[in-house]
Amino acid sequence: GAVVSQHPSWVICKSGTSVKIECRSLDFQATTMFWYRQFPKQSLMLMATSNEGSKATYEQGVEKDKFLINHASLTLSTLTVTSAHPEDSSFYICSASPGAQELQETQYFGPGTRLLVL
Amino acid sequence: AQSVTQPDIHITVSEGASLELRCNYSYGATPYLFWYVQSPGQGLQLLLKYFSGDTLVQGIKGFEAEFKRSQSSFNLRKPSVHWSDAAEYFCAVGGLNDYKLSFGAGTTVTVRA
Repeated sequence: GAVVSQHPSWVICKSGTSVKIECRSLDFQATTMFWYRQFPKQSLMLMATSNEGSKATYEQGVEKDKFLINHASLTLSTLTVTSAHPEDSSFYICSASPGAQELQETQYFGPGTRLLVL
Repeated sequence: AQSVTQPDIHITVSEGASLELRCNYSYGATPYLFWYVQSPGQGLQLLLKYFSGDTLVQGIKGFEAEFKRSQSSFNLRKPSVHWSDAAEYFCAVGGLNDYKLSFGAGTTVTVRA
């Protein structure tokens, strides 16, 4: 149980294009989903938190217009990197947290999406 | 502010030997503590978590961790490591109604034959 998937697992795109990453909770409903960014050999940095049906909450320093997050259903959240540039190249990981029936503090992570912007 | 410190950046251990990874946290209220493992190019897998109760927590893959409030520590242990335990290990802290997790910088474990 508590499986989270991400698609695609890796993507290469040209500078200036937009890239959409999907995060799905496969066997539970996720009231809250999180998006992280991880640089090589470093820890995870929380980018934003999204709750189903409401606007995402972004961490300080994360550009809302650059990283568009949509949490349209209890099992799907998407992160769109708009007008991607080489400095956006990174490993993006999502996590999902079950609803109030379980301890919301437990996050289950997806396998990550590696983005390379040329 | 909450924070996590993993003092060891890299640990090398022989297969079959015991392993202990250190984690110290700072949190203003009752902490919820987690250990995650990340294999190369993969997401994070939850090894174990502590919310309350018995301070010695058993997890998957033969791992255990002990919560010591007096030392603000949550160290991870495994009695006998396997080559497949080579990975990056992250300690994280959160709290009741606190959806944000703070992660440590991680400890890389290398297992030698």
